Amino acid sequence: EPEVTQTPSHQVTQMGQEVILRCVPISNHLYFYWYRQILGQKVEFLVSFYNNEISEKSEIFDDQFSVERPDGSNFTLKIRSTKLEDSAMYFCASKKDREETQYFGPGTRLLVL
Amino acid sequence: GDSVTQMEGPVTLSEEAFLTINCTYTATGYPSLFWYVQYPGEGLQLLLKATKADDKGSNKGFEATYRKETTSFHLEKGSVQVSDSAVYFCALSDSGNTPLVFGKGTRLSVIA
Repeated sequence: EPEVTQTPSHQVTQMGQEVILRCVPISNHLYFYWYRQILGQKVEFLVSFYNNEISEKSEIFDDQFSVERPDGSNFTLKIRSTKLEDSAMYFCASKKDREETQYFGPGTRLLVL
Repeated sequence: GDSVTQMEGPVTLSEEAFLTINCTYTATGYPSLFWYVQYPGEGLQLLLKATKADDKGSNKGFEATYRKETTSFHLEKGSVQVSDSAVYFCALSDSGNTPLVFGKGTRLSVIA
């Protein structure tokens, strides 16, 4: 059964460094999402992406964040200059057109020191 | 804006006990409702969903009924197993392509 994959599973970085989180969505899906979950808190929406552009973003998704689909398979989230409060689990999700179910990857746990 | 409230955990049950995890929502439109489950070390998996009032979603012995009058989507299982130990998230989506809005998650531990 196809699944969403994410790399790395864990990332530790220093404050102020750039990180890139990678996701490979399910191949025939057209909508892509990033969510994050700070430890002990809700899963929060960051950004959605469709047809090679951002379709919606939350207040969390400020200028420090960017997303890209550099080729036909990868979907990346970049944080330009990480802050301590960016420490969280980051989930990628994808879905087909005209379907409601989003399929999630296993997440990347980011720790900013 | 839309929001989901689910009961705080953790919940600890003995094997074969009855499970209820409460979930209520507020939404401006007519949302679809979901339960996702996260097993230890894994990602979020869809457990069940319902898209209109009075629909019952079911999977793996779990059930939830979309109650528009009480804006609720409570998760139930008649007899839990140790393998059901996980974190359960209630979520809604206002329309097909909009982001999911999640509750805080409820950690369930089932002991033998």
